[in-house]
Amino acid sequence: AQTVTQSQPEMSVQEAETVTLSCTYDTSENNYYLFWYKQPPSRQMILVIRQEAYKQQNATENRFSVNFQKAAKSFSLKISDSQLGDTAMYFCAFMKHGWSGAGSYQLTFGKGTKLSVIP
Amino acid sequence: NAGVTQTPKFQVLKTGQSMTLQCAQDMNHNSMYWYRQDPGMGLRLIYYSASEGTTDKGEVPNGYNVSRLNKREFSLRLESAAPSQTSVYFCASRALGTYGDTEAFFGQGTRLTVV
Repeated sequence: AQTVTQSQPEMSVQEAETVTLSCTYDTSENNYYLFWYKQPPSRQMILVIRQEAYKQQNATENRFSVNFQKAAKSFSLKISDSQLGDTAMYFCAFMKHGWSGAGSYQLTFGKGTKLSVIP
Repeated sequence: NAGVTQTPKFQVLKTGQSMTLQCAQDMNHNSMYWYRQDPGMGLRLIYYSASEGTTDKGEVPNGYNVSRLNKREFSLRLESAAPSQTSVYFCASRALGTYGDTEAFFGQGTRLTVV
């Protein structure tokens, strides 16, 4: 079974600064997807960014980028120019690719990192 | 476009009562999921349905049952609620894309309290 570990339960950052959230995972699979989801106080789960394991290039979405290290099984999220609206819980998630036996369709989450952006 | 709709949004149950959480998606997605979220525990998978007609246990299935009624709807039933089932429940759905899998879309969640 896959596991996802987020080692930082809480973090804070000054507005306009940069912060990096850590995520490591454990899997024997070669093809998979990784995601970062954001959950603001409204409770809605919002996709921030996704990464396909077969792609060497790190994904970016505006102020959000990832550092994907496949060999190290590491998938960190960098938020640049932090804004007050970035205050939220952030979850890292793992999903196997395709139709390949048990667990093919499961999306496994880490325990989350609570990020506070300070004015 | 409603996306994933969960009902109800809030519910209080007495220990031993039963109830069904409803989930419907209008995105023609194949796979649907039920998660529970507890403080410090992240989202834990209860049950999932890879496609219409199939259901499988996730990480924490005890005390729950599910029904994939059709492609749109996936319900979660608590037969005899216990205080340990106090949680926020999320339904999610996902498509199987032409070039592989896609991300999951979530409902707004149901806050359930069992007293």
